[in-house]
Amino acid sequence: EDKVVQSPLSLVVHEGDTVTLNCSYEVTNFRSLLWYKQEKKAPTFLFMLTSSGIEKKSGRLSSILDKKELFSILNITATQTGDSAVYLCAAPGNNRKLIWGLGTSLAVNP
Amino acid sequence: DTGVSQDPRHKITKRGQNVTFRCDPISEHNRLYWYRQTLGQGPEFLTYFQNEAQLEKSRLLSDRFSAERPKGSFSTLEIQRTEQGDSAMYLCASSLLTDQETQYFGPGTRLLVL
Repeated sequence: EDKVVQSPLSLVVHEGDTVTLNCSYEVTNFRSLLWYKQEKKAPTFLFMLTSSGIEKKSGRLSSILDKKELFSILNITATQTGDSAVYLCAAPGNNRKLIWGLGTSLAVNP
Repeated sequence: DTGVSQDPRHKITKRGQNVTFRCDPISEHNRLYWYRQTLGQGPEFLTYFQNEAQLEKSRLLSDRFSAERPKGSFSTLEIQRTEQGDSAMYLCASSLLTDQETQYFGPGTRLLVL
């Protein structure tokens, strides 16, 4: 059965810290992996990764995929309180419906 | 605003009542998905459409749930005879046929069944 597993489930850091969130996957006919950020509303799209070793970057956020070891990481540098959210990782399964991890709940304290 | 929109944003209903939610996808997106999310969980797939055709429905979806997308644009999700276990956030997402992996989500409809 296809699955996506995220770790840690929760994380508390201080402003300015750097965090690394992990996502491992087992998906038949893997095509891509997606990262979303969810505050108290619907998930907002961050990155889609399809190729190993190519870092995607947006401001203080970056992500990379390792298709050999079947995982991805999401890095956030110089964290701010506004980064507090649940970060969800997902991979399209059959018919492109997304298979989701449980998320990592990140709390950034001032 | 050209993103995915959902209506209503919040719904409180009594057990046994019927509710209907609406989703308007991004205009050029062919695919439309419905998900349900409860606290502490990732979104759970319910069903999806390609244009007006409903191509898949989750086994987890009971007969009380029905979805339509009659003209291939907006979609409705109806829950009949609501139960307390139906309380959740109902999310709609859409994607392009040529970029099916990237799904863009609406703000969700939060349902509370009393």
